[in-house]
Amino acid sequence: QKEVEQDPGPLSVPEGAIVSLNCTYSNSAFQYFMWYRQYSRKGPELLMYTYSSGNKEDGRFTAQVDKSSKYISLFIRDSQPSDSATYLCAMSARDDKIIFGKGTRLHILP
Amino acid sequence: DGGITQSPKYLFRKEGQNVTLSCEQNLNHDAMYWYRQDPGQGLRLIYYSQIVNDFQKGDIAEGYSVSREKKESFPLTVTSAQKNPTAFYLCASSIGRDRAEAFFGQGTRLTVV
Repeated sequence: QKEVEQDPGPLSVPEGAIVSLNCTYSNSAFQYFMWYRQYSRKGPELLMYTYSSGNKEDGRFTAQVDKSSKYISLFIRDSQPSDSATYLCAMSARDDKIIFGKGTRLHILP
Repeated sequence: DGGITQSPKYLFRKEGQNVTLSCEQNLNHDAMYWYRQDPGQGLRLIYYSQIVNDFQKGDIAEGYSVSREKKESFPLTVTSAQKNPTAFYLCASSIGRDRAEAFFGQGTRLTVV
């Protein structure tokens, strides 16, 4: 079993819809959870950072962490064509390397 | 402006030559990372360093070498021993300790012909 699993997509949704992106993981020591957005041929951009369990909201983005289920989610409300990108989840234990999922390609259809 | 600078953006080399990719940060971050990205593979960790003069191998370190002589700099050398060096290389840094979120440079696309 890989440490971090992420569905590669592609995921296509109409503009204005709510997008749900998810990752599962196997290492119970992970306590730092991140979501990145990456446009083609660019470096990943940090969207959300969460420590331990719970929810965090920033504008149209909400990150959720459920450590009991080893499951994290990113929700995008009122999706826009500019949200079309690859979304990467990432996680880390304390003082340890950061492990990334393979990324989900998202297409928002105008 | 604070940030992470990778140079050059595009790099071409002949097969059998070593090449060094530059990564500099002025964020005063302790930790630095090198990842390789291939289509459909996500980000794979090559090397990481949590403090000056110390670094650890990641999942795909074979054929690569690094140094961390200064806090600001973490250069990656792609040696001739790396069988498939053509890829997109990404450098990142994080504060370290209790703050794990990493910030990325814009990447170097290496093509070996």
